[in-house]
Amino acid sequence: KNEVEQSPQNLTAQEGEFITINCSYSVGISALHWLQQHPGGGIVSLFMLSSGKKKHGRLIATINIQEKHSSLHITASHPRDSAVYICAGEGGADGLTFGKGTHLIIQP
Amino acid sequence: GAGVSQSPSNKVTEKGKDVELRCDPISGHTALYWYRQSLGQGLEFLIYFQGNSAPDKSGLPSDRFSAERTGGSVSTLTIQRTQQEDSAVYLCASSRQGSGGAQETQYFGPGTRLLVL
Repeated sequence: KNEVEQSPQNLTAQEGEFITINCSYSVGISALHWLQQHPGGGIVSLFMLSSGKKKHGRLIATINIQEKHSSLHITASHPRDSAVYICAGEGGADGLTFGKGTHLIIQP
Repeated sequence: GAGVSQSPSNKVTEKGKDVELRCDPISGHTALYWYRQSLGQGLEFLIYFQGNSAPDKSGLPSDRFSAERTGGSVSTLTIQRTQQEDSAVYLCASSRQGSGGAQETQYFGPGTRLLVL
């Protein structure tokens, strides 16, 4: 069974700072998902990647398959980026295996 | 109405009662997933449907939980004889294809907040 670990659990930063959230997983996966969950509870898929790097606006996600590790970066962070960021591994037939999430607060 | 919709958005019930939660996936999405997020806990996989195939029920926490998907579209998650520990947000997601090697973005619904008193 895949285990997905995220760090840090909580992160508070000042507006404008560069943010990195890390995710590691224990077994091979077909894809790694990064999700964002706002205080209202809605979940949005940010990235799905199986190799290399993807970029959407100020968000960048990278994955290293050999090291079973992925990172989510936020450049020029803004208070509206405050949310829970969740990584999840996809493999086999069991939907997604989720990390516990990183609670990010960006202070103005 | 392009997204995944779920109903009801909130449900309060008494212990021992049955509840039924509904999910309408995005039109054309063949894969449908149910997840649960308990208070202060991470997301947990419950069950997965791929088209009209028999579902993968490996994540269901007990035999009080069951799910159906009619016509490869709408799905209902039923919890019988609810217990207080069933209180959680139940999330549904859909994608164009399923797991097992197929990589497709999952689109999440807003969830149903279930409170069992």
